[in-house]
Amino acid sequence: QLQLQESGPRLVKPSETLSLTCTVSGGSVSSGSYYWGWIRQPPGKGLEWIATIYYNEDTYHNPSLKSRVTISVDTSKNQFSLRLDSVTAADTAVYYCAGHGTWGTVAARLSRFHPWGQGTLVTVSS
Amino acid sequence: QSALTQPVSVSESPGQSITISCTGTSSDVGGYNYVSWYQQHPGKAPKFIIYDVSSRPSGVSNRFSGSKSGNTASLTISGLQADDEADYYCSSYTTSSTLVFGGGTKLTVL
Repeated sequence: QLQLQESGPRLVKPSETLSLTCTVSGGSVSSGSYYWGWIRQPPGKGLEWIATIYYNEDTYHNPSLKSRVTISVDTSKNQFSLRLDSVTAADTAVYYCAGHGTWGTVAARLSRFHPWGQGTLVTVSS
Repeated sequence: QSALTQPVSVSESPGQSITISCTGTSSDVGGYNYVSWYQQHPGKAPKFIIYDVSSRPSGVSNRFSGSKSGNTASLTISGLQADDEADYYCSSYTTSSTLVFGGGTKLTVL
């Protein structure tokens, strides 16, 4: 059974870079079975998709965040990562990593987030 | 891209049915049959409950069903139970090869 776990600093200073890693177990990031994505949720607010990557490094980004986001995959560690530059208090959120569906067209697969990691709260504050 | 529009909150009594709407545009909900729904209990990660507008993943109760008409998708929950009280989010694939979520709906089971 595929499981995902987020890790990284819980506190980031304004203007610095937020870096998170998602470790995948029960499957391989390089198998092509899943796309891999990041989603965030500010406290008390809704979900926001950030970016998605495939093992061949095809990437998809939320246009509103694209200029500040880098998503990457490390097949040797079975992980994928998120970097968000120049953070502000508005970037304070629970950050989730998730797999995208295993069958169908690219569009179909991208539309399905399952499974999810448990999420990690990252606070931007000095 | 703008978030899909969902009612902020809905409420209904146990045993009844309720429908939550998710309105987008022809560039997302109306243009593709790639709408998903998620259930989120407080402090928990979202749970995948509907995909491709109306399909249920294995293990999800058949009390949950989805549909779509034009630019609006809907989630219906029948035979409401206390544990259905949660936040519900829709999402859709878009013409820009991106994904967009709805703002979320808080369901209260009275």
